[in-house]
Amino acid sequence: AQSVTQLDSQVPVFEEAPVELRCNYSSSVSVYLFWYVQYPNQGLQLLLKYLSGSTLVESINGFEAEFNKSQTSFHLRKPSVHISDTAEYFCAVRGSGNTGKLIFGQGTTLQVKP
Amino acid sequence: EAQVTQNPRYLITVTGKKLTVTCSQNMNHEYMSWYRQDPGLGLRQIYYSMNVEVTDKGDVPEGYKVSRKEKRNFPLILESPSPNQTSLYFCASSLWSTSGAEAFFGQGTRLTVV
Repeated sequence: AQSVTQLDSQVPVFEEAPVELRCNYSSSVSVYLFWYVQYPNQGLQLLLKYLSGSTLVESINGFEAEFNKSQTSFHLRKPSVHISDTAEYFCAVRGSGNTGKLIFGQGTTLQVKP
Repeated sequence: EAQVTQNPRYLITVTGKKLTVTCSQNMNHEYMSWYRQDPGLGLRQIYYSMNVEVTDKGDVPEGYKVSRKEKRNFPLILESPSPNQTSLYFCASSLWSTSGAEAFFGQGTRLTVV
């Protein structure tokens, strides 16, 4: 069965410091990978996704993630975080078959401190 | 504006009192689904629908019902709520059930069953 593991439940970091949120997945088939962000009291918003092609994908607000097939990872990085990046981040993989299910990791809370 | 709308945002109810959480999308999406979010567990799919009158169970369907009589609406029904259904619920929709189609999420419904 497919699964997603986010290795850190909380990541505290100071403003303007770099950050990496780790995500590993298990799948024996081609995968579609996603990072979603959830700001306080809001729904999930798509941050970026990997479908195929270049293994490095970027978002409009400075985040990037690299698909690494050999390590089955899809870590999220940002070179310099802002207070406004404080949120919960979810890694997800689209399930195999045609159920359309997104399989989510447990979530990582990014706490950016001034 | 493209959006998924859930109502209510907050709900406190008593054990056994039937309730319905509504979900509506204005993007003409075929695929809709419900997830529940619990601390440390991420989001888990409850039910999904490929199209009108086509619904199926997700990973945690016990105690829930759904219907899809119209393309835009996908209500979640709890016939006899119990305290273990206290959770944060999200409705989501996407154009397709497969491939890299982005899922759009509602704002969430925080349900407390006492």
